[in-house]
Order: sequence, then C-alpha cells, then structure tokens
Amino acid sequence: SQTIHQWPATLVQPVGSPLSLECTVEGTSNPNLYWYRQAAGRGLQLLFYSIGIDQISSEVPQNLSASRPQDRQFILSSKKLLLSDSGFYLCAWSPRSGSSPQHFGDGTRLSIL
Amino acid sequence: QQPVQSPQAVILREGEDAVINCSSSKALYSVHWYRQKHGEAPVFLMILLKGGEQKGHEKISASFNEKKQQSSLYLTASQLSYSGTYFCGTVWNAGNMLTFGGGTRLMVKP
Repeated sequence: SQTIHQWPATLVQPVGSPLSLECTVEGTSNPNLYWYRQAAGRGLQLLFYSIGIDQISSEVPQNLSASRPQDRQFILSSKKLLLSDSGFYLCAWSPRSGSSPQHFGDGTRLSIL
Repeated sequence: QQPVQSPQAVILREGEDAVINCSSSKALYSVHWYRQKHGEAPVFLMILLKGGEQKGHEKISASFNEKKQQSSLYLTASQLSYSGTYFCGTVWNAGNMLTFGGGTRLMVKP
C-alpha cells in the first residue's frame, strides 16, 4: 500500500532563517505531488504541484520554492522566512490518472518567531 | 475560484443529522470530500465523478447535482467521531487542480 511521509512534524524558526521541509511517497510510481499551506482555522491553499521530476508549478507568488529531485521526493524550501510563513504545511500525493483523490501526509506545523 | 461551503459551522447532538453544501460558480467535473480532525491532516472521504452520482460511506453520503453545480454531504445519525472540519474540493476540467472550499466545522456533542 502507498504511504506518505512528511517531516519534521513541528518546527520553530526565527525570521530570516532558511527552511527545508521534505516529503516522500512509498508504494507508487509517477505520483502527482502537492504542497499546501493552512493558516490556523482556515482552508487549504495550494502552493506548488508537480507532475514529474523537476516539473514544478507554482500557484501563489511567495518567497517559497519547491523541488522534486526524485520521482517520490518533494521538497519545500525558503531562503529567508517571513512571519507570514507560519502555518500548517501539508504534502499530498495522487495517482497521475484522471480526477483522483489526494492523500495527505501528517503535516508540519511551522512557527516563525 | 474557490467553491463556497455552507454552513460555515454546525453543532449537533449525537444522533442528529446534518447537511453540508458545496457550490461552484462554474460547471464541475468532479467533487471531492475530505474530513480534517483538529490538529491532523485531511482524510479523503469520497469522490463524485458524474452528475447525479451518489455515494455512501457508513452513515455519510454525498450527492452531486451537475446542473446546480453543487454537491451535498449528508451525515446521518451523527456520532462523536464525526466532529471535525469538512472540506469539499472541486475540479472544473479533467487535468485541472483541485480547489478546496473554506470548510465547514462540525461539532457533535453527547
């Protein structure tokens, strides 16, 4: 069966520091991969999605970037964090074909001080 | 454009029923429903791919009215475990991304 791993679970970072969140999927090949952000008590905002290695689409302009160096690895990065980057970051995967359900990792709760 | 969910919040007693609606301003290709418990990641419930389709999962079911560009989630004889935030996600064309609604907070009390 397919599993998705996301780490770390929680992170506290100072303003201006760099960020790297990692997500890996097991048990499937060629998945679509997604990064979402959720502010406290709010909905899910799609940040990036990827249909293949080095194929990244950005949905929202920001100081974040994403990379997909391997088929089942998706990384969210920032060179300098802002206070507004605080939130719950979720990685998700879906099968490549059609309108398929997305399955989420456990998320990373990021607090910026 | 984000689909609109209503109501934004609902409080139920155990055993009561609830309906959550998800409306789109554009024709829908498919509708997804997810539940997120506090502090956890969203969990997929069901997907509706055709107008008129209805699906069920235990005592939770959903319908998709293609003409009204709307989907509804029905929770029957609610249990404490149903508490959480329910999100609909809509796809307008095959190949388009899923766009989530703002969520409906459901609280079931004993």
